[in-house]
Amino acid sequence: AQTVTQSQPEMSVQEAETVTLSCTYDTSESDYYLFWYKQPPSRQMILVIRQEAYKQQNATENRFSVNFQKAAKSFSLKISDSQLGDAAMYFCAYRSGGGSEKLVFGKGTKLTVNP
Amino acid sequence: KAGVTQTPRYLIKTRGQQVTLSCSPISGHRSVSWYQQTPGQGLQFLFEYFSETQRNKGNFPGRFSGRQFSNSRSEMNVSTLELGDSALYLCASSLAPRGGSYEQYFGPGTRLTVT
Repeated sequence: AQTVTQSQPEMSVQEAETVTLSCTYDTSESDYYLFWYKQPPSRQMILVIRQEAYKQQNATENRFSVNFQKAAKSFSLKISDSQLGDAAMYFCAYRSGGGSEKLVFGKGTKLTVNP
Repeated sequence: KAGVTQTPRYLIKTRGQQVTLSCSPISGHRSVSWYQQTPGQGLQFLFEYFSETQRNKGNFPGRFSGRQFSNSRSEMNVSTLELGDSALYLCASSLAPRGGSYEQYFGPGTRLTVT
C-alpha cells in the first residue's frame, strides 16, 4: 500500500519570505501522480499544484513550485513571496495511475504566515 | 459553474442512529469520492463512484455505505453511529473517467458530531 509522510506538523514563515514543505512517499508503482492541496481554516480544500511521475520537469504554478525527486520519493513544495492568504493546512497526496480517483494523503503541515 | 455542494453542512446525531450525507458534484463530473477527516487519522478515503458504480472502497466497516445516482449525485450512509464517527466528511468530484492528473474538486464538507 502507498503511504505519504509529511514530517513537519507545523511551519511558519515571514510574509514575503520563502518556505519549503516536505513530503515523502512510498510506492512500488511506476505510474502515479502527486498533488499538494491547501485547506484554509473552515474553507474548502483546493488544489495547489500537481506533478505527473513520468514528467522529469518540476511543476510550477505562479509562486508555488515543487522539487520532485523520483528516486528519493520526495515531493517538496516551495512557496515564494509568502502572503498572509497562504496560511492554511497543506496536504501532500498520492494517486495511482491505474484509473482510480483515490487519493492517499499525508497528515498535513499547518503553515502560519507572520506579518 | 457551481462548485461541489454538500448537505447538510452540520449534523448532530446520537450513538446508534444512522445518518445520510449528500453530495452534488460539479455539473458534468461523473466521478465522486468521499473522505473522512479527523484530527487523529487525518484524511482517509471512504469510497469512489463513477457512473453509479463503486470503483474503489477504503478500509472502513460495513456500517459505511454509499451510492451514486444517474445524475451523478452521491449519498453516503453511516448506520449504528459511534462516537468515533465524528468527523468532517468531504466529497470530491472529477471529470476523469479513468484517473489521470485531472483535478479533484472538494466540497465544503459535512461536519458530523456524534454524542
